[in-house]
Amino acid sequence: GQNIDQPTEMTATEGAIVQINCTYQTSGFNGLFWYQQHAGEAPTFLSYNVLDGLEEKGRFSSFLSRSKGYSYLLLKELQMKDSASYLCATTNDYKLSFGAGTTVTVRA
Amino acid sequence: EAGVVQSPRYKIIEKKQPVAFWCNPISGHNTLYWYRQNLGQGPELLIRYENEEAVDDSQLPKDRFSAERLKGVDSTLKIQPAELGDSAVYLCASSEGGTGGTEAFFGQGTRLTVV
Repeated sequence: GQNIDQPTEMTATEGAIVQINCTYQTSGFNGLFWYQQHAGEAPTFLSYNVLDGLEEKGRFSSFLSRSKGYSYLLLKELQMKDSASYLCATTNDYKLSFGAGTTVTVRA
Repeated sequence: EAGVVQSPRYKIIEKKQPVAFWCNPISGHNTLYWYRQNLGQGPELLIRYENEEAVDDSQLPKDRFSAERLKGVDSTLKIQPAELGDSAVYLCASSEGGTGGTEAFFGQGTRLTVV
């Protein structure tokens, strides 16, 4: 099975940086996804890591350490529109297993 | 290109009534998923299809839930009879293949309220 842990809530100021941590224990692992979900909307893809290291995509970066079962999503230069839930999900080829999500609130 | 389309967006029904949700995946996507998302939780997989075959339905409560994907394109998820605990958002997603390296695209979901 999958056991995925991430903080429930985080608050940060506009323009700041926030790091969302995710730890996981899985019976099989083929990569880790981060999704963003605004209230009442569908989850949308942010990043995918399958190898150890940092993947950077604009203001968002994602890091993976397979040996530690650990990932983080880094959001830089926070904007108000970044207020959303961020979902960490592991995959074992065909099944996406999600954490409960981290609600990020960006304050002016 | 159109994304994953689901209908209806919202549904309110009385307990013990039947309900059905419809999903049209992205064209060419062979893999289709139904997820259920409770408030404040991440999505939980109910069933996965590869074309028209249900290859993972281990999390589907088969006493009251059923699903089909005729012709390997559109899919419907049915609950009969609905219970109060079924209130949730039902998300459909599709991907080109398994999610080993390809992202899953989600529809906007159907918010079900059972009263």
